[in-house]
Amino acid sequence: KAGVTQTPRYLIKTRGQQVTLSCSPISGHRSVSWYQQTPGQGLQFLFEYFSETQRNKGNFPGRFSGRQFSNSRSEMNVSTLELGDSALYLCASSLAGLTDTQYFGPGTRLTVL
Amino acid sequence: AQSVTQLDSQVPVFEEAPVELRCNYSSSVSVYLFWYVQYPNQGLQLLLKYLSGSTLVESINGFEAEFNKSQTSFHLRKPSVHISDTAEYFCAVSDFQGAQKLVFGQGTRLTINP
Repeated sequence: KAGVTQTPRYLIKTRGQQVTLSCSPISGHRSVSWYQQTPGQGLQFLFEYFSETQRNKGNFPGRFSGRQFSNSRSEMNVSTLELGDSALYLCASSLAGLTDTQYFGPGTRLTVL
Repeated sequence: AQSVTQLDSQVPVFEEAPVELRCNYSSSVSVYLFWYVQYPNQGLQLLLKYLSGSTLVESINGFEAEFNKSQTSFHLRKPSVHISDTAEYFCAVSDFQGAQKLVFGQGTRLTINP
């Protein structure tokens, strides 16, 4: 079975721009969750989607949004980028949700200049 | 709100020595507990998890963790480490009532010296 894939792997943007990251879950997984990883804050939960509905949300501003498609693929969008948004963005998929084993992708490294 | 504290940011040990990585959590409801591992240049992967039942859980590569409800801890141990255990280890907690979040600790970087 193919693992979780994320595209692109690397991104460089400037302040004020917006960015869209993509995540393809393991086949059969209906839950996709997103995380931000930084040296200072560690791994922080952004949100979780299950069957095209946002089911859970972390403590991030509204500039961070996401969606999930009928094939379970998910996108995360960040608008009006700030320098502090530079991070590794990880997505994970699972069968049932956040109480289930999460299978993580390799991440998208976003650098905001 | 849940929180997870990993008491040591870095743990250096010699090969074949025992190791304990400490994790404490706080939550007002019952929780599920996880240890994830991130090997160099690899993605995060599950090491072991506690959902219910026996408070001692084991992984296939010799790690074990014990859920201690009274001390709200889920420490990770291995009696004898190998060079290949060098990685960053993350403790995580998820509640199973109400709004669910998966909260991670800050991580512990385990370095094995020959």
